[in-house]
Amino acid sequence: AQKVTQAQTEISVVEKEDVTLDCVYETRDTTYYLFWYKQPPSGELVFLIRRNSFDEQNEISGRYSWNFQKSTSSFNFTITASQVVDSAVYFCALSGRGGSEKLVFGKGTKLTVNP
Amino acid sequence: EPEVTQTPSHQVTQMGQEVILRCVPISNHLYFYWYRQILGQKVEFLVSFYNNEISEKSEIFDDQFSVERPDGSNFTLKIRSTKLEDSAMYFCASRADQMEQFFGPGTRLTVL
Repeated sequence: AQKVTQAQTEISVVEKEDVTLDCVYETRDTTYYLFWYKQPPSGELVFLIRRNSFDEQNEISGRYSWNFQKSTSSFNFTITASQVVDSAVYFCALSGRGGSEKLVFGKGTKLTVNP
Repeated sequence: EPEVTQTPSHQVTQMGQEVILRCVPISNHLYFYWYRQILGQKVEFLVSFYNNEISEKSEIFDDQFSVERPDGSNFTLKIRSTKLEDSAMYFCASRADQMEQFFGPGTRLTVL
């Protein structure tokens, strides 16, 4: 069975601080995808990144960066120089490759960035 | 930019009533999904749909639930006899082959 654990329920930082959101996953699949989605207070789910299990290269997109480590089954997300607009719930998710590719979500981390 | 749309944004219904939640996936997508999120909790998979049939469903998706793609654009979720515990945000999602899922804005269902 697939499982995603986001141990941090809530994080509060002051603007301009860096923050890392942790994600640990479990799967028996040899090929899979990992995702991060953002859910702002308005409620929609915004896609941030998809990572293939064969690609362990770290990725940077502006102030966002992702660290994928297969050895520790982790896919952590760092926001550099956080801003108030980053305040949201962030979900890590996992899907197998092939078949329905349904998403299995973690419980989410609520990030509050204070001015 | 193409997006998934859902209607209505908010539906209030009485326990025992039938509801139909509607979604218009992105036009060239082939895989369709419904998820739900009970307030303050994680997003849970309900059902996936491909090639005009259900490809996978969760244990939540019991006989009270059904999905349909009645024409080339709409994708619907029907709950036959709503219960209080069906109150949640329901998200529709779609994807192209080997691509990420894009979510609609959700329908908040309130069962009284």
